Amino acid sequence: KNEVEQSPQNLTAQEGEFITINCSYSVGISALHWLQQHPGGGIVSLFMLSSGKKKHGRLIATINIQEKHSSLHITASHPRDSAVYICAARPRETSGSRLTFGEGTQLTVNP
Amino acid sequence: NAGVTQTPKFRILKIGQSMTLQCTQDMNHNYMYWYRQDPGMGLKLIYYSVGAGITDKGEVPNGYNVSRSTTEDFPLRLELAAPSQTSVYFCASSSGQGVTEAFFGQGTRLTVV
Repeated sequence: KNEVEQSPQNLTAQEGEFITINCSYSVGISALHWLQQHPGGGIVSLFMLSSGKKKHGRLIATINIQEKHSSLHITASHPRDSAVYICAARPRETSGSRLTFGEGTQLTVNP
Repeated sequence: NAGVTQTPKFRILKIGQSMTLQCTQDMNHNYMYWYRQDPGMGLKLIYYSVGAGITDKGEVPNGYNVSRSTTEDFPLRLELAAPSQTSVYFCASSSGQGVTEAFFGQGTRLTVV
């Protein structure tokens, strides 16, 4: 079992829909990251969380430390949101401050 | 700001050839990482460095080597390329331990034929 699990693996939505991507992890962490990867492109950091909730534009990320769970929400989704969204945990007990990654969620938003 | 810069973006290698993937960052970050990304799988750590002169193996180091002679540069060397090394490679950096943001390069798509 991976230390970081994401769901769903694939998600198709219509423009304007509210989207939720989930991430569960099995180890104690110092931080959890949400990343975005566009086709053929690099990886961009969206959020870094150690507690609570963060919001940036139409994106909201939450984390529940006790339940070892985080969610990424996209409100009023748009085709340009189509990308792979990756959850990555920074385990507390690891050298080099390394990240452990989920497999990613492929999001497609249709017009 | 350049951030993390990787070169080349694409490369095709023949089996047995060698090459170096370049990575440089201009943020004075101590921590640098090399990951590979295979279809349907999460990124896997190849090597990492916590400062100039210090490197360590990650999850999948076989077939690769790294060096860190300066804070800015962290090249990844492939010796005797094999088809199993066909992947997308990402370099990343962060400032240090704990709650610090990670910055990624644009990736290098490598095909070994």
